[in-house]
Amino acid sequence: EIVLTQSPATLSLSPGETATLSCGASRSIPSNFLAWYQQRSGLAPRLLISGASNRATDIPDKFSGSGSGTDFTLTISRVEPEDFAVYYCQQYGRSPITFGQGTRLEIK
Amino acid sequence: EVQLVQPGAEVKKPGESLKISCKASGYTFYNYWVAWVRQMPGKGLELMGIVFPADSDTRYTSSFEGHVTISADMSISTAYLQWSSLKASDTAIYYCARNAGGTADYYMDAWGNGTTVIVSS
Repeated sequence: EIVLTQSPATLSLSPGETATLSCGASRSIPSNFLAWYQQRSGLAPRLLISGASNRATDIPDKFSGSGSGTDFTLTISRVEPEDFAVYYCQQYGRSPITFGQGTRLEIK
Repeated sequence: EVQLVQPGAEVKKPGESLKISCKASGYTFYNYWVAWVRQMPGKGLELMGIVFPADSDTRYTSSFEGHVTISADMSISTAYLQWSSLKASDTAIYYCARNAGGTADYYMDAWGNGTTVIVSS
């Protein structure tokens, strides 16, 4: 199975800064089938990005995804209080589907 | 609007059985795979398995096969996750989610609110 490693485990930023979250895969992900989810405290995950760079419906353009092969990035511009959450990457290019362990974005 | 509604919480004793539900609305239920995802306390997301309601085709992640049963009832647009004998280690939040595409391996574009299962003597 493809193992996804997210870094850093925790990212401490002040509101207004830019967050850069990484997701590395143990093998190349076919067709860049990588998604990103946001999980706020006490809530269900929410889809942000699919296909490495395609924003989901109603997701603001402050969220952007990039990357290919084994290295992917989620960038969050101008971080706001509601953006402090845990972010997960997920690959769906090769069975079984796997998730990264998550990056916690916290207020500095 | 796509919605997946789950019961909020279940408290059970070790050895008891449990079946939790996921009621879908706002889309053609039988056309989309439904996944079950486990989140243990303070931990990340784990795919348990998926079901295609139209023909009940079910796939399990290897670590969950034999420990849970996933099913769906097309007539009432509801998916299920069940255990025959719970263990304390089954304590977790369980989410159902809709696969966005028509294949078993895809991303999830809609999530249920989650069911907290607590197994304690």
